[in-house]
Parts: sequence; C-alpha cells; structure tokens
Amino acid sequence: SSELTQDPAVSVALGQTVRITCQGDSLRSYYASWYQQKPGQAPVLVIYGKNNRPSGIPDRFSGSNSGNTASLTITGAQAEDEADYYCNSRDSSGTRVFGGGTKLTVL
Amino acid sequence: EVQLVESGGGLVQPGGSLRLSCAASGFTFSSYSMNWVRQAPGKGLEWVSYISSSSSTIYYADSLKGRFTISRDNAKNSLYLQMNSLRAEDTAVYYCARDRLAVASYYMDVWGKGTTVTVSS
Repeated sequence: SSELTQDPAVSVALGQTVRITCQGDSLRSYYASWYQQKPGQAPVLVIYGKNNRPSGIPDRFSGSNSGNTASLTITGAQAEDEADYYCNSRDSSGTRVFGGGTKLTVL
Repeated sequence: EVQLVESGGGLVQPGGSLRLSCAASGFTFSSYSMNWVRQAPGKGLEWVSYISSSSSTIYYADSLKGRFTISRDNAKNSLYLQMNSLRAEDTAVYYCARDRLAVASYYMDVWGKGTTVTVSS
C-alpha cells in the first residue's frame, strides 16, 4: 500500500498564514482529504476534493494540489486552529491511507 | 441529526476477541459505504477497513493480516468490526466514519466519537 508523508510539526503566529503539506504517489490520482483533530475529540473533515469545505468550516481553510503533493492552507490562523491535521487518500488498490499527522501550534 | 455511535469496546486479554458496533442514524445508512479508523494512544490515525453499501466490496489494512472482519446490517443501520487474536498493539480508540465520493476524491464526512479497546493481561 502507498504512504502519505507529512511534517510532524508546524507553527504559525496568530493571524498569519500557514501551509501544511502531504506527499504521496496516490495523490497523483486522487485528491487528498484533510481532517482536524483536537485533543480528546474525533477527527473533523475540513477539506475534500479539489478544494471543498464542508458546511461550517471557516473559509480561512483551503486546499491545493500539485503533482504528488497536497496542501492545506490556513489564511489568518486563529488560536482555535491549534490541532493535529491529517491528510488521507485512496490508493490504487482501493485501500485508504492517512498521513502521519502534523501538529499545528499557533503562537 | 446525522450521527454515528460506536460501542463494544473494553478491556480484553491478548489473543481474545471483541466485536465493535456502530449505530447510524439521521441518514439512509444503506446508501453509504463505511470505514473503521483507529488511533493508538498518542499516535496518528490509522485506516482499518472499508465496506461498500451493499457489502460487495471490502478492504482491509495490510497490517491486520486477516484478524479483523468488517460487516454491516443495513436493516439494523449498523456497522460491525469483529476483531480476533487481539494484540497489545491493537489498543486504540476505534472510530467509524461515513465514506463519500466526489470527483477523484474519497473522504470521510461523518465520524463517531469512538470506542476504546484495550488489550492487556
């Protein structure tokens, strides 16, 4: 099965822009989906498809894709955005794979 | 309200078995594929298994090596995960999640709160 690679940790100053990346061969065929998880809570979908936000997700969250890399961008990061972020994709065999996760710290 | 509620977790000895359930409500369960995802303490998310709406297509993570079986009962709006030959490394919070498909994109849009499985003697 394929793998997705994420940076373990990223930090951003309050109100600034941060990009979280996810790399993997499966991303050449399928868009990544992105999940936010806060301590003790279930994951929440924040981005799916080319760049789609579920209802209730602030528009400061956006997604982009290039080759084997997917990116989640938070424009104007807020304190409540501090969380773990995971990318996910389907691989050619039909199975799903998560990236290792990125811990976002808002300074 | 669209909702998924997991149950069946608990403490089990190594080598034992456990059956997890996920009760769906607020949507037409029989129309959606479903997933199980787990998270070991202090670790990241790990996809476990997928089942299509009619149970015709099933996938498992390679790491499970045939120990887990996913199933569903659309008449009962329920998803199941039968876990056998449990090991300490299976200790995790287990989530069920609804599967969706968009253009070239598969994603999980609804998640339960999870049920905790602890494998220990």
